[in-house]
Amino acid sequence: AQSVTQPDIHITVSEGASLELRCNYSYGATPYLFWYVQSPGQGLQLLLKYFSGDTLVQGIKGFEAEFKRSQSSFNLRKPSVHWSDAAEYFCAVGSKSSGDKLTFGTGTRLAVRP
Amino acid sequence: NAGVTQTPKFRILKIGQSMTLQCAQDMNHNYMYWYRQDPGMGLKLIYYSVGAGITDKGEVPNGYNVSRSTTEDFPLRLELAAPSQTSVYFCASSYDRSGLGYTFGSGTRLTVV
Repeated sequence: AQSVTQPDIHITVSEGASLELRCNYSYGATPYLFWYVQSPGQGLQLLLKYFSGDTLVQGIKGFEAEFKRSQSSFNLRKPSVHWSDAAEYFCAVGSKSSGDKLTFGTGTRLAVRP
Repeated sequence: NAGVTQTPKFRILKIGQSMTLQCAQDMNHNYMYWYRQDPGMGLKLIYYSVGAGITDKGEVPNGYNVSRSTTEDFPLRLELAAPSQTSVYFCASSYDRSGLGYTFGSGTRLTVV
């Protein structure tokens, strides 16, 4: 069965600082990997996704993520955080074979210091 | 705007009451899903559907039922509400099996007292 681990429950960074949110997955075949963002009281918005090709994926709002098969990781990065990035971030995994559903991590809540 | 519409946005139920959470999409997606979100637990799949007339259980289906009579609608039914069903419920739809095109609704916050 596929699974996703987000080891950091809460992260606080200063505005303008760089950000890296960790995501590790467990899945036997080639996964499809996703990052979603959820602002308070809102639904989930897709930031970026990986399914094949270049392992460095660019997303919306200046985010990027890198798929590292050897480490089973798909960490989310942003070079300079803005106060509006404060939200909860979810990593998710799916696949063509079991793609009827996505499996989500437990989320990382990001706070941004002024 | 095209998307996934969930109603109601908020609801308070008493223990033992029943209700239906509505979900509708206008993107002609075959695949639809119901998730619940509990604090610190991420999203758990309740039920999903791969097309009209076809539904299947997800990870946490107990206490819920679904139907899919049309491509557009995927209602979630709670028959006998319990406090453990207090959660935020999200409906999503997708144009294929891989999850590459998930669109989420804005959620329904349900409290059972």
